[in-house]
Amino acid sequence: NAGVMQNPRHLVRRRGQEARLRCSPMKGHSHVYWYRQLPEEGLKFMVYLQKENIIDESGMPKERFSAEFPKEGPSILRIQQVVRGDSAAYFCASSLTGTGGYTEAFFGQGTRLTVV
Amino acid sequence: GQQLNQSPQSMFIQEGEDVSMNCTSSSIFNTWLWYKQDPGEGPVLLIALYKAGELTSNGRLTAQFGITRKDSFLNISASIPSDVGIYFCAGTPQGGSEKLVFGKGTKLTVNP
Repeated sequence: NAGVMQNPRHLVRRRGQEARLRCSPMKGHSHVYWYRQLPEEGLKFMVYLQKENIIDESGMPKERFSAEFPKEGPSILRIQQVVRGDSAAYFCASSLTGTGGYTEAFFGQGTRLTVV
Repeated sequence: GQQLNQSPQSMFIQEGEDVSMNCTSSSIFNTWLWYKQDPGEGPVLLIALYKAGELTSNGRLTAQFGITRKDSFLNISASIPSDVGIYFCAGTPQGGSEKLVFGKGTKLTVNP
């Protein structure tokens, strides 16, 4: 999973600030997924993107959260006006094709967001 | 929504013992995957299962995709201290969804 690069590894924000989390998929992968993990919990799906398209955002909160995967550059998960409840580990995964088929998703090391 | 019930929640075993954990669901899944997560790291894929009834091994790990497509188990034989970590099952639900649904994890502690 070292091939999926996330930065920063740790991010501290004050309530009301914006958080930007970046994910560079593995080379050749055009499918990106974002997951959120609370302490002592499993990962919860947030959004699935392909280049320049949001395919499934059924796990994204309706407000303050947005994601993009531009033609050039990393995928960005943006959280506006952060609140303490946004504190969590955010993981990005990438795959060669969609994981509904015979392919595997590889995860990055995550960004641990702390809202103070 | 689809949920995966993973058990046990935690296990404390002696080095050399075998371990078994499982996941069940009330709905059908097209794929089952088992991941291991170390503290401060992302999940690492251990075994992927794509067909009902499939039994797959990876070293000391063995996993099976249940015939009903609603369950899977993971066995670890002859545990060693580096097996410590949290093991997650995950799957893609029937219906063409691309997202992975995760269980809540099994925390494994191995005493030397």
